[in-house]
Amino acid sequence: GNSVTQMEGPVTLSEEAFLTINCTYTATGYPSLFWYVQYPGEGLQLLLKATKADDKGSNKGFEATYRKETTSFHLEKGSVQVSDSAVYFCALSDKGTGNQFYFGTGTSLTVIP
Amino acid sequence: NAGVTQTPKFQVLKTGQSMTLQCAQDMNHEYMSWYRQDPGMGLRLIHYSVGAGITDQGEVPNGYNVSRSTTEDFPLRLLSAAPSQTSVYFCASRTDRVLRNEQFFGPGTRLTVL
Repeated sequence: GNSVTQMEGPVTLSEEAFLTINCTYTATGYPSLFWYVQYPGEGLQLLLKATKADDKGSNKGFEATYRKETTSFHLEKGSVQVSDSAVYFCALSDKGTGNQFYFGTGTSLTVIP
Repeated sequence: NAGVTQTPKFQVLKTGQSMTLQCAQDMNHEYMSWYRQDPGMGLRLIHYSVGAGITDQGEVPNGYNVSRSTTEDFPLRLLSAAPSQTSVYFCASRTDRVLRNEQFFGPGTRLTVL
């Protein structure tokens, strides 16, 4: 079946530190992969996505590369800011299962000045 | 475009009461879904719809009903509220086009059942 596993938090970093949030997936077909961000009290917003192997999604300084050989889609940012404090969700959508979405449990990030 | 809208933002119910959470989208998306978000469990799919008149169950459908009479609206009904349904509920929509298949989420409804 399909599933997403992401590193547990919470993660606390100092401003300008390097961020990695690990995400691995299991899929029966050829999924699209996503990172969503949820700021306090808000809904989820798409941060970036990749639709095929070796694609790199990027947005707002965040990057993630679709690695089929390691079934991973790790989120990285070179220098985090206080405004990046949020919960980050990794997700996949598999055409083979009707494009249903499967979400990880979320990783809470707090950036301190 | 307003995107995905949800009402109400907050709701408190007593055990046994019923209510409807409203969801609407103005992007002409075929797919709409309802999720609940609980601490440490991520998002779990309750029900979804692939078009007007078509609905199906997700991972945790018990205690909830849905209908999809129009493309725009996808209400979620709690038949007899229970404390276990205390959660944050998100509605989402998306198109089926392969390169634009990301979901768009509403702001959420925070429900407390006493």
